[in-house]
Amino acid sequence: DGGITQSPKYLFRKEGQNVTLSCEQNLNHDAMYWYRQDPGQGLRLIYYSQIVNDFQKGDIAEGYSVSREKKESFPLTVTSAQKNPTAFYLCASCGTASNQPQHFGDGTRLSIL
Amino acid sequence: GENVEQHPSTLSVQEGDSAVIKCTYSDSASNYFPWYKQELGKGSQLIIDIRSNVGEKKDQRIAVTLNKTAKHFSLHITETQPEDSAVYFCAASKTDKLIFGTGTRLQVFP
Repeated sequence: DGGITQSPKYLFRKEGQNVTLSCEQNLNHDAMYWYRQDPGQGLRLIYYSQIVNDFQKGDIAEGYSVSREKKESFPLTVTSAQKNPTAFYLCASCGTASNQPQHFGDGTRLSIL
Repeated sequence: GENVEQHPSTLSVQEGDSAVIKCTYSDSASNYFPWYKQELGKGSQLIIDIRSNVGEKKDQRIAVTLNKTAKHFSLHITETQPEDSAVYFCAASKTDKLIFGTGTRLQVFP
């Protein structure tokens, strides 16, 4: 079945450590997105990519990095520069035609040890 | 930039009653308005969407209405069931970036 797979489901980070969240889709979507969700808040855009080898910063990109070497994959690295990384991270993808619905993965919950 | 406000933040209804969640947006150029349902510990699932050339859209027990003049849109769930309990997010966009509301936690009591 087509869909978006995020892994791991739960992730723990130590102080000063970089961690990478995986997002893979087999929907043949060109665009992919990373969001952060905090309690009581809506989803906030971290980074997005509309084509391979290209990506743009969202509203809260500081302390994060991404790559888009393959159409199917859009990994997110939470760097040690991100001082408050504890959150629920959601990956999404959609086609590039105007106003296509975004399809979401099941998320990764990141916590600090 | 675009700002989306969503109300109420929590909503409790009896099974079989209707539930209404409202969102307002700031950018009059926004032309796409999806609604997502998020169950505990999971990602968000698109449940219905509407484009600015339509005033209302219905899919079984779920409907969305759009008032472009007032810049608000609403989600209506009729004959609610316990499995409708979840967090619902509205969003608005005019390009390829969605701006989300802060979510509404809906609880349906048997």
